[in-house]
Amino acid sequence: QSVLTQPPSASGTPGQRVTISCSGSSSNIGRNTVSWYQQLPGTAPKLLIYSNSHRPSGVPDRFSGSKSGTSASLAISGLQSEDETDYYCGAWDDSLNAVVFGGGTKLTVL
Amino acid sequence: EVQLLESGGGLVQPGGSLRLSCAASGFTFSNYAMIWVRQAPGKGLEWVSQISGSGGDIYYADSVKGRFTISRDNSRDTLYLQMNSLRAEDTAVYYCVKDWGGGTSVLASWGQGTLVSVSS
Repeated sequence: QSVLTQPPSASGTPGQRVTISCSGSSSNIGRNTVSWYQQLPGTAPKLLIYSNSHRPSGVPDRFSGSKSGTSASLAISGLQSEDETDYYCGAWDDSLNAVVFGGGTKLTVL
Repeated sequence: EVQLLESGGGLVQPGGSLRLSCAASGFTFSNYAMIWVRQAPGKGLEWVSQISGSGGDIYYADSVKGRFTISRDNSRDTLYLQMNSLRAEDTAVYYCVKDWGGGTSVLASWGQGTLVSVSS
């Protein structure tokens, strides 16, 4: 059971906009910033979004993040076939003194 | 370019020990917190432990507290994870991760991972 809650799956068609939610609590998302990670099959995760909505250099602006209260969202616009993979949210938890993750969302491009 | 190269994984019997190493390059190692994250086969990400740049602040997941020890050698730009009393549930790919900076706990750069298998 993950501390942060993500839907196990999401889907969309090419060109569409999809969102993935991440729900937490006052001890994690409510107090700290959220990051998003993309993990392509057989590879290490890669930082996609940090500080709720900032993109590291090299991440396309099709990817965007937001946070409100104890929830956060990752949005992918102009969906492409190569976006079909796993996505994880993460945040520091002040009560656990640990980074906590969501269980991951598998995105399918139909 | 940041490079993180893990080593030390392998097959070990339950109750055994392993020490993972992570050789870092491409950045000033002592300026950044470092983290170990693991991923069991077919499962999600699990934060294991992290250590500040100076080594003075250390945190562990409850699942490994008392069994694992994180350390670093800033003179060698190397991060370690000593794993004792290993259990089957410790079987996972272990990733060495560089923090974004400023104690943000943003997992900025990841190594390729090393597989630890605990089985008799």
